This record gives sequence, structure tokens and C-alpha cells, in this order.
Amino acid sequence: QKEVEQNSGPLSVPEGAIASLNCTYSDRGSQSFFWYRQYSGKSPELIMFIYSNGDKEDGRFTAQLNKASQYVSLLIRDSQPSDSATYLCAVNRDSSASKIIFGSGTRLSIRP
Amino acid sequence: NAGVTQTPKFQVLKTGQSMTLQCAQDMNHNSMYWYRQDPGMGLRLIYYSASEGTTDKGEVPNGYNVSRLNKREFSLRLESAAPSQTSVYFCASTSRVGNNEQFFGPGTRLTVL
Repeated sequence: QKEVEQNSGPLSVPEGAIASLNCTYSDRGSQSFFWYRQYSGKSPELIMFIYSNGDKEDGRFTAQLNKASQYVSLLIRDSQPSDSATYLCAVNRDSSASKIIFGSGTRLSIRP
Repeated sequence: NAGVTQTPKFQVLKTGQSMTLQCAQDMNHNSMYWYRQDPGMGLRLIYYSASEGTTDKGEVPNGYNVSRLNKREFSLRLESAAPSQTSVYFCASTSRVGNNEQFFGPGTRLTVL
């Protein structure tokens, strides 16, 4: 079992709709969780992080964490064509930032 | 403030050749990382350095060595390149405290023939 699992997609969502991206992790002791966006040919950039159970909102983005189910998700409201990218889920297994494990990413395509 | 820089941007090697990928950060970060990214595989951790003077293996360390030269610089060496090491290599850094956001360099695209 991979430590961090994501559906590879592609996930196709119409413009203006809500895109929902999911991620599960295997280490129950994981401390913090991140969503990165990566455009084709570019390096990843952080868009959200979450530490506590529940929802965290930042503009059009909402991260949701459920530690009991070992599940973290990212919702993108009012999806725009510029949101088309690969979204990487990352999990930090300890509090010292010494080891962060990435999922394989979900490719999101927003269709006009 | 350049953030994380990597050299070279592109490299082609023949099987058996050696090379060193360079990475430097100017954000005074303690932790630095080397990842490789293959199509459909996401980012896989090769080696990391939690702090100056320490290095540890990640998921896929075989065929690589690293040096944390000082707080700013973290290099990755391929002693005898193999076609399986064809990949895009990313260096990243993070502060020990705060949200542990990783800042990534622009990547090195390596092809081994």
C-alpha cells in the first residue's frame, strides 16, 4: 500500500463547477497535510495546508481533513480554466519537517 | 531573493557517466530535499537533510549520493548514471517551524542514454 494515494484522473469538470480532489494516507500518526498545484513543465507550488480535523477555507479553495478516516480532500469552487493542472497531496509524518511524502497526483481539467 | 536555484536545467548523459546536480537556497531554511518525478509517479523522495550536517535516505536512494555542503547548498551525485535515472529532479527546502511549506527549485531535466 502506498503511503499517500490519489486517483490519477484525469478529472474533467465544467467551468464554474466545484472540483473535488481526494487523498488517503496510511500513517495514522501523520501530522500535517498539504496540497500543491503543478502546471505542466513547472515546479509544484503550495496552495493549501491543514493540520486539524475539519475544513479550512482560502478563497475558492477548501481543504478538508478527517484523521479518523485518514482522508484529506481539496475542493475548488467556481473552477476556472487556469485551475487545470496536476494536484499533489503531501503528508508530513513528523513535526520536524524532516520527511514529507507526496502522492502521485490527480490531473484536473476544467472544460469551458 | 532567488529562492531555490538548481543547476543545470537540462543534462544529457551516457550510461556510466557521473554528474552532480547543484541546489542552493537563500531563505535560511534548515531542511532540504531531493525528489525525482517520473510521468504518472508524482514526486519520490531520494534523500533529505533535516539540518546542516545530517542526511538521510528517502524512498528511492539507490544510485545516488548527497552532500549538505553548508546550510545553503545540497548537492545530488550520480556516480554511474543508468537509463532508469532519466527523470526530472527537483530540489526543495523548508523551514523547521511554521507550516512546513516546501519551496521548490525549477527542476533539472536529466536524460541518460
